[in-house]
Amino acid sequence: DTAVSQTPKYLVTQMGNDKSIKCEQNLGHDTMYWYKQDSKKFLKIMFSYNNKELIINETVPNRFSPKSPDKAHLNLHINSLELGDSAVYFCASSQAPGELFFGEGSRLTVL
Amino acid sequence: AQSVAQPEDQVNVAEGNPLTVKCTYSVSGNPYLFWYVQYPNRGLQFLLKYITGDNLVKGSYGFEAEFNKSQTSFHLKKPSALVSDSALYFCAVRDPSGAGSYQLTFGKGTKLSVIP
Repeated sequence: DTAVSQTPKYLVTQMGNDKSIKCEQNLGHDTMYWYKQDSKKFLKIMFSYNNKELIINETVPNRFSPKSPDKAHLNLHINSLELGDSAVYFCASSQAPGELFFGEGSRLTVL
Repeated sequence: AQSVAQPEDQVNVAEGNPLTVKCTYSVSGNPYLFWYVQYPNRGLQFLLKYITGDNLVKGSYGFEAEFNKSQTSFHLKKPSALVSDSALYFCAVRDPSGAGSYQLTFGKGTKLSVIP
């Protein structure tokens, strides 16, 4: 039973399209995150929610919009996709500070 | 602002030899420090953490890390490397005080290759 699951695992799309990535955790954690990992493997936090409340909103284009319908789900919607959005997007959750459980990642390729 | 430096992009070690992956940090308060491992095409996995207490912390898969406040370092170590330890290792820091208290900042990662 996967602890943090993301769908889809792969997305290939054209520039200008809109796409969503879904994330669900069954660990009962209060905090969820979206991280972006670029082609050089550098990890950068994008958003964090605690009990459905946005607590971290890093310098991310407005085209990226997170949504947390409940504390077990954190989705990421991306409008007007650009080439530079190509990356692996990781969802994570935590209860203890800093101990994150990561999903397997969603690899987005924008053509 | 908090930051983490991993000075080595790659570390090569022979199987059975001890390994060290280096990490230094910068925070305004007392740091919470973490190591994560990422295997190819997988998400990151938590290895170990330092919050307070004993400077030597033990984690998963036989790894340990030593917190050194004077050198602001938190190096990852293992007495005897396995080929299966080959992966990408990330150091991370969290400053529990101030506006960034929820934020975990990762280093750029160090690729560990264990040679049979």
